Amino acid sequence: DTAVSQTPKYLVTQMGNDKSIKCEQNLGHDTMYWYKQDSKKFLKIMFSYNNKELIINETVPNRFSPKSPDKAHLNLHINSLELGDSAVYFCASSQGAGGDYGYTFGSGTRLTVV
Amino acid sequence: AQKITQTQPGMFVQEKEAVTLDCTYDTSDQSYGLFWYKQPSSGEMIFLIYQGSYDEQNATEGRYSLNFQKARKSANLVISASQLGDSAMYFCAFLYNFNKFYFGSGTKLNVKP
Repeated sequence: DTAVSQTPKYLVTQMGNDKSIKCEQNLGHDTMYWYKQDSKKFLKIMFSYNNKELIINETVPNRFSPKSPDKAHLNLHINSLELGDSAVYFCASSQGAGGDYGYTFGSGTRLTVV
Repeated sequence: AQKITQTQPGMFVQEKEAVTLDCTYDTSDQSYGLFWYKQPSSGEMIFLIYQGSYDEQNATEGRYSLNFQKARKSANLVISASQLGDSAMYFCAFLYNFNKFYFGSGTKLNVKP
């Protein structure tokens, strides 16, 4: 069973479109995250939700809107996609602060904006 | 502001030898956590090892150990007896304030046969 699953794995879309990436975890964790990995492999946190409440919202364009319908799901919706949004987006989950077991990551969604 | 630095963009190691990947951090917090993750070419992120700032012993997980020097603010990853399958990107990550989690820029490790 996949612990943190993201869909789709690959997404190619045109500039200006609106797209969503879905994330689901079956670990019973109470905290979920979205990270962006740029072309230089640098990982940066975007959002964090704890029990469906937004607790981290780093400096991200407001075209990016996370939605957490329940604590097992955290979706990322992106409006008016731009070329610079091309990256790999990782969903992750943890129980509380993460502690000894770190975070569990999804396999990533490679977004290409053309 | 918290900062985490990996100064080795790429490294080579001979198979079966040990290798140390460097990681330094800058914080005024007393309570924090340090993690190492492996990212193979397939792209997934794999948790390797964790060290809490109050842990007195260096963390170890199989062939991985974390050389934690709190006064120097360094948390280097040591991989013993390198294997070809260890070739990957390795990320050091810093956790503070329970949910502020920052990654270094990564080190690409190549294990040579």
